[in-house]
Amino acid sequence: AQSVTQLGSHVSVSEGALVLLRCNYSSSVPPYLFWYVQYPNQGLQLLLKYTSAATLVKGINGFEAEFKKSETSFHLTKPSAHMSDAAEYFCAVSDRGNNRLAFGKGNQVVVIP
Amino acid sequence: DADVTQTPRNRITKTGKRIMLECSQTKGHDRMYWYRQDPGLGLRLIYYSFDVKDINKGEISDGYSVSRQAQAKFSLSLESAIPNQTALYFCATSADLNRELFFGEGSRLTVL
Repeated sequence: AQSVTQLGSHVSVSEGALVLLRCNYSSSVPPYLFWYVQYPNQGLQLLLKYTSAATLVKGINGFEAEFKKSETSFHLTKPSAHMSDAAEYFCAVSDRGNNRLAFGKGNQVVVIP
Repeated sequence: DADVTQTPRNRITKTGKRIMLECSQTKGHDRMYWYRQDPGLGLRLIYYSFDVKDINKGEISDGYSVSRQAQAKFSLSLESAIPNQTALYFCATSADLNRELFFGEGSRLTVL
């Protein structure tokens, strides 16, 4: 089964600073990879996804992620954090063997004014 | 109106009670899922269904059951609720494995 590792359950970032959330996956075949965001008291919504086209994927709200096969990584970045980026972020990988998505444990992002 | 609707949004119940969480969708998707979210544990899959006649167990199905009443409806039941089933529950739909999941707003369940 596929698995996803997100280190650091809580991430603090200053307003205007770089946001970097790390995601590593295990997969024996080219995966589909996703980042989801959960704002307070809401369900998850898609930020961006990698589907084997361009390795640098742009998403909503200024986020982007780069797929690196050699590192089995799909890290999420945003150049300048905004207060509205405070949320929980989940990385997910498609598990074709089990025909479902495997989610990481999430990163709770706190933006400091 | 939301594409994926969950009811109830909040529920407090007592140990041993039967609870049903309902989910309906207007996306027209065949695939529906029930997840449980706990702090620090992320989302864990309870059950999923690829059509009305197809029900599959996820990672943590013990203590739960589901019913797919129609393409648009997928309900989750706790036959005899226990305190460690206190959690936030999400229903989600998708067109297929590699497409986006669409989530409901969640059902917060507290078992006393």
